[in-house]
This record gives sequence, C-alpha cells and structure tokens, in this order.
Amino acid sequence: DVKVTQSSRYLVKRTGEKVFLECVQDMDHENMFWYRQDPGLGLRLIYFSYDVKMKEKGDIPEGYSVSREKKERFSLILESASTNQTSMYLCASSPGFSNHYEQYFGPGTRLTVT
Amino acid sequence: EDKVVQSPLSLVVHEGDTVTLNCSYEVTNFRSLLWYKQEKKAPTFLFMLTSSGIEKKSGRLSSILDKKELFSILNITATQTGDSAIYLCAGNAGGTSYGKLTFGQGTILTVHP
Repeated sequence: DVKVTQSSRYLVKRTGEKVFLECVQDMDHENMFWYRQDPGLGLRLIYFSYDVKMKEKGDIPEGYSVSREKKERFSLILESASTNQTSMYLCASSPGFSNHYEQYFGPGTRLTVT
Repeated sequence: EDKVVQSPLSLVVHEGDTVTLNCSYEVTNFRSLLWYKQEKKAPTFLFMLTSSGIEKKSGRLSSILDKKELFSILNITATQTGDSAIYLCAGNAGGTSYGKLTFGQGTILTVHP
C-alpha cells in the first residue's frame, strides 16, 4: 500500500512565524504535490515537484515556497505565516510514468494561524 | 485556465435514496477525470474515466464520462450513512503536466439514517 505521511495533523502558529510542513511518501514516486483545501473552494494546487530539486508553481503559490532535497520528502514552507493561510494542507504523490495519474494523499495538516 | 465545477455543493438524503453528483470540466489537453471520496482524512480514489460512455462500477457506486459535453456523473444507489463524505472530482491534463489535477469544489453528501 502506498503511504503518504504528513508531519502534523494539527498545528497552531502565530502571525509572522516561519512554518514548515513535511510530507514523506514511501513508494518511490517521482511527482509530489501540495494543496490547500478551503470550504467551497475545493483543493487548490500550491506547488508540485516532478523530481528531486525540481519544482513548479501551481495555481496559488504566493506566500509559499517548497523544498525537495530527497525523492521521498517534499516540504512546504510559509516564510511568514498570515491568518489567511489558515487552512487544511494536503500532500499527494503519484508515479512519474503512469497511465492513470492517480494521486495518493496524506491525512492532511490543519494549520491555524492566529 | 483549467476549471472543474461540481454540483450540487451539498446534498442531504436519507438512507436508501439514490443520488447523482455532477462534474463539468474545461481542461486543456484533457486526459482523464478522477473521482475521490474524502471522509475526515485523506481523499481516497474511487474511479478514473478516460473514455466516453463507458460506465465504471464499484458496488453501489458508478460513474460515467461524456467527453462531448465535458461532464461526468457519479451515482450512488441505496445510500448508507457511511457514504456521508465530500466527493471530489478532478480533471487531469495530458502533455507535460506531470499528472497535475484540477479539482472541483467538492459535493458534501450527508446521509441520514
């Protein structure tokens, strides 16, 4: 079974803090993704990575950065957290050469910025 | 810009009812349409559809794609309380998008006993 884990289920941070969200997958997948999920807006793609050290902006990258130093690990960084970044953050991974492009999701991190 | 729209946004039914969830899409170089179920945790994969008119079925759930009219439906028959969840559909663009998915807003389904 594919397993995608995220470092925290719940996180509370203060405005202006630097926040790291970690995601690890154990299936040797090439592609990894970070989404945020907000009521009524569905999942919106923040960044994705198709290889180590490679990254691409998604639909809403502003205020975020990412790091992928190892194939299995993809980190989302909020350089200076703001209250409008309070959200559920979901990480996902998928194989590089697949006919299906099915993404496997982690359990999510609910981040609250006060 | 790719776009996926789901309707209704929420639905409340009683056990035993049949529901139909809708998903329309505008995705460049469309490759496939995926359905996920999300309870209080990670979204889990239900179906992937690539061809028009071919129904995918799993137990009480079924789904079909219409590539001419650019939509998909997810049917759930004889609903149970365990079907209560958010149902997400997503369009996958081909080419060099690395499997990027564009998600709809989700449909929140509540099934009462």
